[in-house]
Amino acid sequence: DAGITQSPRYKITETGRQVTLMCHQTWSHSYMFWYRQDLGHGLRLIYYSAAADITDKGEVPDGYVVSRSKTENFPLTLESATRSQTSVYFCASSERGLRDTQYFGPGTRLTVL
Amino acid sequence: GQQVMQIPQYQHVQEGEDFTTYCNSSTTLSNIQWYKQRPGGHPVFLIQLVKSGEVKKQKRLTFQFGEAKKNSSLHITATQTTDVGTYFCAGPGDYKLSFGAGTTVTVRA
Repeated sequence: DAGITQSPRYKITETGRQVTLMCHQTWSHSYMFWYRQDLGHGLRLIYYSAAADITDKGEVPDGYVVSRSKTENFPLTLESATRSQTSVYFCASSERGLRDTQYFGPGTRLTVL
Repeated sequence: GQQVMQIPQYQHVQEGEDFTTYCNSSTTLSNIQWYKQRPGGHPVFLIQLVKSGEVKKQKRLTFQFGEAKKNSSLHITATQTTDVGTYFCAGPGDYKLSFGAGTTVTVRA
């Protein structure tokens, strides 16, 4: 049972490049989320999705794009990476709702030089 | 908007001692959830409390939901090195789960 996986686990890129972080879950959960975690800011919601083809902005969506063509996948794209986007990114899923128990992936540590 | 606050931010504990971490919400919550994140790891769901005054135990961990459903606590007895990590509480907000900033626990052997 793979649960929820993220790839890559580590990524180093340069300012201005496009980067896509992948998230895949095997539970068929309807709800999926992207968070970033930075020292001093805790977990901040970037985007969320209630179902395939339904996405919405969270607290800090600027500079990010998401899509959800299939229930199990929820990729996050940084269109033009900036140093301020250096962070640890967590994908999460929930079976019952936006405010219900969430199950997190292992995270992607992204460094933008 | 809703705010969830946790104190203390850091907790340094001698192995074998007890400690408590607290979570407070600016609004009444329908439930409170607790997560643990080990160093270098990801948040892992521990427990959910729903009822006013509810108390749940997981081995040495005791979770409590306040009578007014605006606060919660996590009490750990006989702290072990395996308890190291950051403990987050989270409460349902307007459109999302609002996470507290966490209490980071270190243990002195």
